Amino acid sequence: DQQVKQNSPSLSVQEGRISILNCDYTNSMFDYFLWYKKYPAEGPTFLISISSIKDKNEDGRFTVFLNKSAKHLSLHIVPSQPGDSAVYFCAASGASGTYKYIFGTGTRLKVLA
Amino acid sequence: ETGVTQSPTHLIKTRGQQVTLRCSSQSGHNTVSWYQQALGQGPQFIFQYYREEENGRGNFPPRFSGLQFPNYSSELNVNALELDDSALYLCASSLASGNPKEAFFGQGTRLTVV
Repeated sequence: DQQVKQNSPSLSVQEGRISILNCDYTNSMFDYFLWYKKYPAEGPTFLISISSIKDKNEDGRFTVFLNKSAKHLSLHIVPSQPGDSAVYFCAASGASGTYKYIFGTGTRLKVLA
Repeated sequence: ETGVTQSPTHLIKTRGQQVTLRCSSQSGHNTVSWYQQALGQGPQFIFQYYREEENGRGNFPPRFSGLQFPNYSSELNVNALELDDSALYLCASSLASGNPKEAFFGQGTRLTVV
């Protein structure tokens, strides 16, 4: 049973435009959400997180939005750059002080120059 | 570069064999988490070690076991390998604080079971 779902396996965006990556979850006990970026032959790297008491968190070009009633979060990248091309995973956990994350299946983002 | 190294990078084993994967933590980190990433899937949490003790386990059978050493490096052992164990195995080194900015993944070990 997939508790964290990323329904778009891939996404292509023009450089300079907005990239929107989506993630849905089913477990209402999740209260901490993260996005990781993964380049080929490298481990995932942490990008941005949000706790369930917020609905938005921003860090430079990256913004994560959380809609608890819809059990949905999204990552916005503005403006998109070719170096953003990677696989993006959303992840969830039951508490902020743990690394026991449930990951989605990932979305491969390609930013076209 | 994260300072977390995993060895070997690639490995081929036969069904039924046993395998040991290694993870060298970033200096000062006392927590190691292991994940299995099957092809086309996200990483799945296997277990976590904190100061040499298992500190949580995901939905994996007992033939997946681990060890953390006094220097906080870690091993993942898998007995009686099955074809479905073929995956990328990732370790993440961190402090116990749980701050994801302080958790760093290694590049992974790709295990192929034939």
